[in-house]
Amino acid sequence: NAGVMQNPRHLVRRRGQEARLRCSPMKGHSHVYWYRQLPEEGLKFMVYLQKENIIDESGMPKERFSAEFPKEGPSILRIQQVVRGDSAAYFCASSPYRGGNNQPQHFGDGTRLSIL
Amino acid sequence: AQTVTQSQPEMSVQEAETVTLSCTYDTSESDYYLFWYKQPPSRQMILVIRQEAYKQQNATENRFSVNFQKAAKSFSLKISDSQLGDAAMYFCAYRGALFGNEKLTFGTGTRLTIIP
Repeated sequence: NAGVMQNPRHLVRRRGQEARLRCSPMKGHSHVYWYRQLPEEGLKFMVYLQKENIIDESGMPKERFSAEFPKEGPSILRIQQVVRGDSAAYFCASSPYRGGNNQPQHFGDGTRLSIL
Repeated sequence: AQTVTQSQPEMSVQEAETVTLSCTYDTSESDYYLFWYKQPPSRQMILVIRQEAYKQQNATENRFSVNFQKAAKSFSLKISDSQLGDAAMYFCAYRGALFGNEKLTFGTGTRLTIIP
C-alpha cells in the first residue's frame, strides 16, 4: 500500500524560474495538505485542498504561490518567479476524509527546493 | 490562533535511559488532537503517538508514552529505554476538531541525541 508520494525529491531552480512540486496522496485519500519547513524550523501550514477545491489557504503567501488538486492526477504546488527565500523543504500530507479528525495526516518524504 | 511551544531546542540521553520532551500549547477550543512526530536525518515525518483531548487516559505506544495535562495545556513525550534509532528531531503538533481547522500547527522541535 503505497504511501504519500512526492516528486521530485530534490529540485534546483535559478532565481526567476518556476518550481512545480507534485504530491500523490495515499490510495483512498482525497484530502491533501502542503507544509513548508525552512532550515532549522518546524513545519508551517500552507494550504489544504480537497479534489478540485481549496478548503483553507490561510498559510499561502499572497503572491507567486498557488496550489491545485485536480479531479485526476496529483496535487501541484506551484511557485512562480522563485527567490532565494523560497529555499526550503516542502511536505505534502494526506488524510482520507474531512471530519475524520481521529485519522492522522500521513506525510510524504518532502521535496527539497534549492534556489541558486 | 493556536500556538505550540517546545522550550527544549536540544536534549540528550544515555542509551537505555528515559527522557522526557516537553510541549505546551495554547488554544480556546475544548476538543482537539495532539501529536508527536519524529523527523530523522532522512527528513521523513513519522507519527510517533497521538492523543485525543477528550480522553483522560494518556496514550502509549510501546516505549513511547505521553503525559497529557489538559488544564495546564501540556503534552510531554516520554521515551523509555532509549535506543540509537530514536535520535531525531521531535515535533509536537496540534489540530483542532472542528471543520475548518484541520491543519496541523507544529512546535519548533527538539533535537534528541542518544549517547551510546
